[in-house]
Amino acid sequence: GAVVSQHPSRVICKSGTSVKIECRSLDFQATTMFWYRQFPKQSLMLMATSNEGSKATYEQGVEKDKFLINHASLTLSTLTVTSAHPEDSSFYICSAGTGTDAYEQYFGPGTRLTVT
Amino acid sequence: GNSVTQMEGPVTLSEEAFLTINCTYTATGYPSLFWYVQYPGEGLQLLLKATKADDKGSNKGFEATYRKETTSFHLEKGSVQVSDSAVYFCALSGVGGYNKLIFGAGTRLAVHP
Repeated sequence: GAVVSQHPSRVICKSGTSVKIECRSLDFQATTMFWYRQFPKQSLMLMATSNEGSKATYEQGVEKDKFLINHASLTLSTLTVTSAHPEDSSFYICSAGTGTDAYEQYFGPGTRLTVT
Repeated sequence: GNSVTQMEGPVTLSEEAFLTINCTYTATGYPSLFWYVQYPGEGLQLLLKATKADDKGSNKGFEATYRKETTSFHLEKGSVQVSDSAVYFCALSGVGGYNKLIFGAGTRLAVHP
């Protein structure tokens, strides 16, 4: 149980285009979903927290107009990178939370975004 | 600010060797501490946790003790297996947002037969 999927697993896009990444909780309903970004050899950085039906809460320094998060249902959240640039190339990871404790988060396998 | 520092990898060991991966943290208050493991192609999985000082988390032969005096949460295993090869992340929560996780950079472990 507690499986989270991400789609796509890898995506290459051209500079200036937008790309959408989906995060789904397959066998449970997620009260909260989290989006992280991971640079090579660095830690996961929390980008934003979203609750179903509410606006996402972004971490300091994360541009909300660039990284659009939609959490339309208890099993689906999407991250759209708008007008992507090469510096947006990174590994994006989502997690889905089932409770109020931090350890009650289940992680997706990540999406590798490359912007050319 | 709040942060987690892990030893740099990769750590390369032979099967049945003893493993230690160091983790120290900086935080205000009393965070909860975690170790996550990421196997190739999979998402991070919670390996073990400790929620207060002197707690010992354990799972699958791995252990870590919450040491408040040294602000550390080192991961240990007495005898590693090839199947333990993965990336290990130390993390904390409970500071500045109860359900937020702050991760270390991760340590890659490679175990050879």
